[in-house]
Amino acid sequence: DGGITQSPKYLFRKEGQNVTLSCEQNLNHDAMYWYRQDPGQGLRLIYYSQIVNDFQKGDIAEGYSVSREKKESFPLTVTSAQKNPTAFYLCASSIATGGRYEQYFGPGTRLTVT
Amino acid sequence: DQQVKQNSPSLSVQEGRISILNCDYTNSMFDYFLWYKKYPAEGPTFLISISSIKDKNEDGRFTVFLNKSAKHLSLHIVPSQPGDSAVYFCAAMDSNYQLIWGAGTKLIIKP
Repeated sequence: DGGITQSPKYLFRKEGQNVTLSCEQNLNHDAMYWYRQDPGQGLRLIYYSQIVNDFQKGDIAEGYSVSREKKESFPLTVTSAQKNPTAFYLCASSIATGGRYEQYFGPGTRLTVT
Repeated sequence: DQQVKQNSPSLSVQEGRISILNCDYTNSMFDYFLWYKKYPAEGPTFLISISSIKDKNEDGRFTVFLNKSAKHLSLHIVPSQPGDSAVYFCAAMDSNYQLIWGAGTKLIIKP
């Protein structure tokens, strides 16, 4: 079955620790995205990648980092510099960017930092 | 400033009736719009889209209407079913082909 997997579904961390969220897709999509969702708000773009070894900052990239070493994988690291890391994180992919391509989403990871 | 607004946080509709979800946008350069449906603790799933060259797009029980002059679009679900209970997001594609999202409307279908 083709799709996007995110793990784990729930993640708990202590303040001051970096944490990496996993995102894997087997849809053979070139483009991948990370969003953050907070209660009562729309999705906000953190980072996106159009191709392997390339990525761009989205609207709220501060305190986050990503890598794209493989087409299938786009992990997101939430660093200790992110002031409000507790949120629901969504990974998505699309065939490409630069066109009207719908995005497909993974099930999300809920991160709680205390 | 929100460029895509869904002013109703929630909407309750009787099963079998029509559900109408609304979305307003401020940027007249947006020319492609999408609706996504989201269940709790899951990722959004694509429902239907519309290009600005059209004013209506239909897919089964779902129809999206676009009024460019009013910068307004709406999603109609007819007839509404219990499985339609979810949060519905409106999104607009900007000139960089990135999606700008509304805050969502929670639809509750009453039996």
